[in-house]
Amino acid sequence: SAVISQKPSRDICQRGTSLTIQCQVDSQVTMMFWYRQQPGQSLTLIATANQGSEATYESGFVIDKFPISRPNLTFSTLTVSNMSPEDSSIYLCSVKGQDPNTEAFFGQGTRLTVV
Amino acid sequence: GEDVEQSLFLSVREGDSSVINCTYTDSSSTYLYWYKQEPGAGLQLLTYIFSNMDMKQDQRLTVLLNKKDKHLSLRIADTQTGDSAIYFCAEVNTGGFKTIFGAGTRLFVKA
Repeated sequence: SAVISQKPSRDICQRGTSLTIQCQVDSQVTMMFWYRQQPGQSLTLIATANQGSEATYESGFVIDKFPISRPNLTFSTLTVSNMSPEDSSIYLCSVKGQDPNTEAFFGQGTRLTVV
Repeated sequence: GEDVEQSLFLSVREGDSSVINCTYTDSSSTYLYWYKQEPGAGLQLLTYIFSNMDMKQDQRLTVLLNKKDKHLSLRIADTQTGDSAIYFCAEVNTGGFKTIFGAGTRLFVKA
């Protein structure tokens, strides 16, 4: 199993600003994922972040809006840029081990409110 | 593409059994998962089933898999108020890199 810490756990931000969310894992992991969970909705995958390569974004998400860093095997950041109220969501970091078929582990999430 | 569907709400009385249903589309999924999300928390893996199994039991949890119908269910025996949460069904897509989640079933347990 993996223990994942996300910071901040919640924030209230002004529209037009940017917020960087950090994800720290207690062990080295190959694959890290960033999800968005809008109010009352399921999880939507934003991007996959593997160390040593550019993040792979899902349809509807672009690097300019959600830049991601993955400097090593235990850490990643997601930035929500030029925020609007529509970006108010929970953002979740998730990791998987070497076997991609194994379960994903999740951080506690970052609850973002944009005013 | 991959899709996972669940009913959105389930309400049961404390002590009764809860059954949460899920259908999925990717027949090549190797593992299927059930996650639990309590208010203000991330997702916690509850249980999983390998695709060559029909049933898996883990204490109060029973998972049934019907591969022919691509139907997965989670039964919680003797449901407690602490079981109130959102339950997500999930599959791993072909290639095994992405986890695809259902919309989540919100379970209400009445005392």
